[in-house]
Amino acid sequence: GAVVSQHPSRVICKSGTSVKIECRSLDFQATTMFWYRQFPKQSLMLMATSNEGSKATYEQGVEKDKFLINHASLTLSTLTVTSAHPEDSSFYICSARGGGRGYTFGSGTRLTVV
Amino acid sequence: GDSVTQMEGPVTLSEEAFLTINCTYTATGYPSLFWYVQYPGEGLQLLLKATKADDKGSNKGFEATYRKETTSFHLEKGSVQVSDSAVYFCALSDRTNAGKSTFGDGTTLTVKP
Repeated sequence: GAVVSQHPSRVICKSGTSVKIECRSLDFQATTMFWYRQFPKQSLMLMATSNEGSKATYEQGVEKDKFLINHASLTLSTLTVTSAHPEDSSFYICSARGGGRGYTFGSGTRLTVV
Repeated sequence: GDSVTQMEGPVTLSEEAFLTINCTYTATGYPSLFWYVQYPGEGLQLLLKATKADDKGSNKGFEATYRKETTSFHLEKGSVQVSDSAVYFCALSDRTNAGKSTFGDGTTLTVKP
């Protein structure tokens, strides 16, 4: 149990376009999900906490208008990178809390903006 | 605020060697401690965890003991394999900080045959 599916695993988009990343808890309900960003050879940096039915809480320095988070149901949170630029290229990972196993991470999304 | 300090890498070992990756932490409350493993191109997988002082987490031959007196959670394995080559992250989750996870910088382990 406690599986988190993240989609897509890889995406390449043109500069100026928007990209949506989905994070689903497959077999448990997650009232709270977390979005992280990981630069090459670096650790994970928390971007925001996604709360079902309410606004996300963003970490200091993260632009909420650029990284839109929607947590419309107990099993789905989405991160939309709006007007993406090459500097947004990174590895994005979500995690969900629940299912009796604490935090479960998705497999990550490699975003490349060209 | 909470922080995790992890042994710098990269670490290169021969197969069957003993592994230690040091991890120390600072936290305002009583955190749970975790080790995650990340294989190339993949997300994080929970390797083991400990939720209170003196607990020992173990999985796949890896062990770590929650030492409150030294604020440490060192990862050990008695005999590493080539398949253990990955990046290892020490992390904590603190309920007094809304349960957010704080990660160390990661340690890259390469095991050579």
